[in-house]
Amino acid sequence: KAGVTQTPRYLIKTRGQQVTLSCSPISGHRSVSWYQQTPGQGLQFLFEYFSETQRNKGNFPGRFSGRQFSNSRSEMNVSTLELGDSALYLCASSWGLLNEQFFGPGTRLTVL
Amino acid sequence: GESVGLHLPTLSVQEGDNSIINCAYSNSASDYFIWYKQESGKGPQFIIDIRSNMDKRQGQRVTVLLNKTVKHLSLQIAATQPGDSAVYFCAESVQGAQKLVFGQGTRLTINP
Repeated sequence: KAGVTQTPRYLIKTRGQQVTLSCSPISGHRSVSWYQQTPGQGLQFLFEYFSETQRNKGNFPGRFSGRQFSNSRSEMNVSTLELGDSALYLCASSWGLLNEQFFGPGTRLTVL
Repeated sequence: GESVGLHLPTLSVQEGDNSIINCAYSNSASDYFIWYKQESGKGPQFIIDIRSNMDKRQGQRVTVLLNKTVKHLSLQIAATQPGDSAVYFCAESVQGAQKLVFGQGTRLTINP
């Protein structure tokens, strides 16, 4: 069974631009969560989707948004990029709401 | 690429010895705990989980211990191998929330 896939793997943007990252969960998984990983703050929860509904949201500004499609694939968007948004963005999927989360390889975003 | 912080606690062990990685969690309401392993350039890899109705769980070469009284979690790795070199994160959540709160991580290095 294929794991969680994320595209693109690497991305370079400039301040003020916007970016969309994509995540395909493991087949059959319905919950998708997003995390930001930086050297300074570690791994921080962004938001979680289940059956196309956002169920939980972390403490990030409104520039960070996401959505989930009917096939459970998810996208996250960051608008008006700032230098501090440079990070590894990780997507995790799970079958339901009480199960372990499996992570993808991440998208490395660099904002110049 | 670099995936974790520059100033992580580090544990160095001899190949073949047992490793014990500790974690203090923050939320007394957390009832689900996971250990992840993250190698450079990769997303976190699920190792083992434990729910709060247990105090010990064993997997292949790994054991997780949970002490709810002092909010402490540990991961024991038996007969440590070079492939165990990585950063290890503990994560906590409240069941159903699907929001993982991660510890800062511990870098495990194996000496030949």
